[in-house]
Amino acid sequence: GNSVTQMEGPVTLSEEAFLTINCTYTATGYPSLFWYVQYPGEGLQLLLKATKADDKGSNKGFEATYRKETTSFHLEKGSVQVSDSAVYFCALSDQGNFNKFYFGSGTKLNVKP
Amino acid sequence: ETGVTQSPTHLIKTRGQQVTLRCSSQSGHNTVSWYQQALGQGPQFIFQYYREEENGRGNFPPRFSGLQFPNYSSELNVNALELDDSALYLCASSLRGTSGKQTQYFGPGTRLLVL
Repeated sequence: GNSVTQMEGPVTLSEEAFLTINCTYTATGYPSLFWYVQYPGEGLQLLLKATKADDKGSNKGFEATYRKETTSFHLEKGSVQVSDSAVYFCALSDQGNFNKFYFGSGTKLNVKP
Repeated sequence: ETGVTQSPTHLIKTRGQQVTLRCSSQSGHNTVSWYQQALGQGPQFIFQYYREEENGRGNFPPRFSGLQFPNYSSELNVNALELDDSALYLCASSLRGTSGKQTQYFGPGTRLLVL
């Protein structure tokens, strides 16, 4: 079956530190992979995506590369800001007519000034 | 802003009651999915609607039901509410094309509290 595993949080970093949030997946077929971000009291916002192996998604300084050989999609950012504090969710979608999304449990990021 | 709206934003009900949550899709999108997000957890898939028909369902009992209307807006109905139904309910819209690959765009959610 399909599933997503994320590193447990919270992750606490100082401003301008390097960020890595690990995400691994199990899937049948060739899923698309996503990172969503959720700010307190809000819904999920799409951060970036990759639809095939070796694709790199990027947005707002965040990057993630679809690694089929390691079934991973780790999120990275070179220099975090206080405004990046949020909960980050890794997700995969199976292909075909029924495009169900599977989410990880989320990783809370706290960035201190 | 994703263009996906949900109403109401917050709701308080008592056990055994029924609730209807509403979602308006992003313009041009033809598919709506509903998720339940318990506190501190990731969203769990409830079901998806495409062309006004249920097109897939997660591990939720039949008292969770839905509708999709010709304008692609949608409703989630929950009967016989239980305490464990307290959660954030998220609606996501997407455009189903020929490639089979979709990106889901989420609304802000409805926070339901069952007492």
